[in-house]
Amino acid sequence: GAGVSQSPRYKVAKRGQDVALRCDPISGHVSLFWYQQALGQGPEFLTYFQNEAQLDKSGLPSDRFFAERPEGSVSTLKIQRTQQEDSAVYLCASSSGGLAGGGQNEQFFGPGTRLTVL
Amino acid sequence: AQKVTQAQTEISVVEKEDVTLDCVYETRDTTYYLFWYKQPPSGELVFLIRRNSFDEQNEISGRYSWNFQKSTSSFNFTITASQVVDSAVYFCALSEELGSARQLTFGSGTQLTVLP
Repeated sequence: GAGVSQSPRYKVAKRGQDVALRCDPISGHVSLFWYQQALGQGPEFLTYFQNEAQLDKSGLPSDRFFAERPEGSVSTLKIQRTQQEDSAVYLCASSSGGLAGGGQNEQFFGPGTRLTVL
Repeated sequence: AQKVTQAQTEISVVEKEDVTLDCVYETRDTTYYLFWYKQPPSGELVFLIRRNSFDEQNEISGRYSWNFQKSTSSFNFTITASQVVDSAVYFCALSEELGSARQLTFGSGTQLTVLP
């Protein structure tokens, strides 16, 4: 399809396990964002990539969270030693433009990965 | 720091009623962008509208309309003649021009239920 895809859609992990969440942005999109959405809340920013460069990771809650986008397309969000408070929906979004030139392009969101940590 | 407040947690209306969802924002930036997204039960966020801070014209798109007022820092969303398919969580969001990533800051959302 032409939209943002994420996999897996659902992930159940035991506390202490490592998980990897994948995002396939819209082809050609320069910007890629990760957000975390807790139950009953709005999404919260985690990190931002412009092509392969991670320009902002200020929203990552701890050093257990790590994201990469090595070739400027697919991105992976990794959570090490998962804890119960990591349970949330993880949303990926992409947009066509980068930061140069100003303005704000629409962000297209994927369906999310629902992570449950037992 | 930027902040978005959606004071209405849940709203329930009967089909064909009009409903307004409130959004109040805070920002120190003079250039910023406001958004509304819809999140149906399937979970995917659907873009509805984007406004920049220099454009205070209200906008109408079919049954949807938006009222942007800088004087009160509000960006309210009205659905006219609501339908059951409008039932979803609606999020207002803000993005600052000077933000390092221009990430979206979301409100906590308003759950709209339209009853038949």
